[in-house]
Amino acid sequence: QQQVKQSPQSLIVQKGGISIINCAYENTAFDYFPWYQQFPGKGPALLIAIRPDVSEKKEGRFTISFNKSAKQFSLHIMDSQPGDSATYFCAALKGNEKLTFGTGTRLTIIP
Amino acid sequence: DTGVSQDPRHKITKRGQNVTFRCDPISEHNRLYWYRQTLGQGPEFLTYFQNEAQLEKSRLLSDRFSAERPKGSFSTLEIQRTEQGDSAMYLCASSSTRYEQYFGPGTRLTVT
Repeated sequence: QQQVKQSPQSLIVQKGGISIINCAYENTAFDYFPWYQQFPGKGPALLIAIRPDVSEKKEGRFTISFNKSAKQFSLHIMDSQPGDSATYFCAALKGNEKLTFGTGTRLTIIP
Repeated sequence: DTGVSQDPRHKITKRGQNVTFRCDPISEHNRLYWYRQTLGQGPEFLTYFQNEAQLEKSRLLSDRFSAERPKGSFSTLEIQRTEQGDSAMYLCASSSTRYEQYFGPGTRLTVT
């Protein structure tokens, strides 16, 4: 049973455009939703995170939008740059401290 | 560098051999996590320590897997009698709260 569903699987965006990655969860016990960025051969790096009492969080070019009633959240990357090309994972955390990850989105930024 | 470190970065072993990986968390992080990541997938939780106590184990962690954190600092993950299905990236993460988990670079295991 996949508790966190992520889409799209891959995404190509032109430089300067907006990249949008979506995630949906099932378990309402989740109370923390981070996004991780992973480059090939590296471990995931924490990018930005949100808790369900907030509908939006912005850090630089990265924004999380959170819809508690729909059980959905998304990552927006503004002014996307070639250096943003990586795989992005959404995740969700509940009381037992186990992060449950989505299946990942491979983002490619083209010039 | 004060991030999470893992050793070795790569390990190639023959089926049936035992392997041991080490993780050094960020200094003063009392929480330590092990995850496994296969190609094209997100990390999957294996086990979690708070200080030296192992508080949670996934059903993915068969009897061939054992993890320790003897003094609440570094941790080791041992796989006995390795199988080809054990080939994966083994990731360690640490945290000082239940929220922000910081990952190391991982150990890539290849079982031939």
